[in-house]
Amino acid sequence: DAGVIQSPRHEVTEMGQEVTLRCKPISGHNSLFWYRQTMMRGLELLIYFNNNVPIDDSGMPEDRFSAKMPNASFSTLKIQPSEPRDSAVYFCASAAAASTDTQYFGPGTRLTVL
Amino acid sequence: AQSVTQPDIHITVSEGASLELRCNYSYGATPYLFWYVQSPGQGLQLLLKYFSGDTLVQGIKGFEAEFKRSQSSFNLRKPSVHWSDAAEYFCAVVPGGGNKLVFGAGTILRVKS
Repeated sequence: DAGVIQSPRHEVTEMGQEVTLRCKPISGHNSLFWYRQTMMRGLELLIYFNNNVPIDDSGMPEDRFSAKMPNASFSTLKIQPSEPRDSAVYFCASAAAASTDTQYFGPGTRLTVL
Repeated sequence: AQSVTQPDIHITVSEGASLELRCNYSYGATPYLFWYVQSPGQGLQLLLKYFSGDTLVQGIKGFEAEFKRSQSSFNLRKPSVHWSDAAEYFCAVVPGGGNKLVFGAGTILRVKS
């Protein structure tokens, strides 16, 4: 199994630009999670989907952030417009069913907003 | 406030020495408990988890953890550390009745030869 795939691995952009992060979960997994990791705040859950439906987006920091899961094998996290404080590593994880199942993490996307 | 606490930000141990990483939680009901490891530039990998039953849990890479309800703790242990164990370790919980994984701040392990 290829595991959770994220792209790009690194993204450098300028303030105000739109950023789209992509995730392909493990085939057959029904839950997908987006996390953000920073030195100051550690690992934070941004949003999670179950069967392609957003279940909890209370961790999404503000309206500039949006996430979609158009099908079981693809999800995007979009930031528009981006700001320097959005610089972080963004992880996608998937689990077989519920969040209590083991979550398998992707390698992350390191985002730098200048 | 409900939280997951890893009191040690950094720990340094000698190769071959034993290791214990501490984790405490403050949730009323017994949560589901996890330990993850993150190597530099990598995603997180599950070491072990506890849902119920035997309070001593065995994981991968020779790690184990013990759930102590009376102390609200889930400490990670390894009897003999290898240089390749140098990484950051995260304790995480799904609070009882909840559905989200909450992570501690992490403990960075350094291994000296």
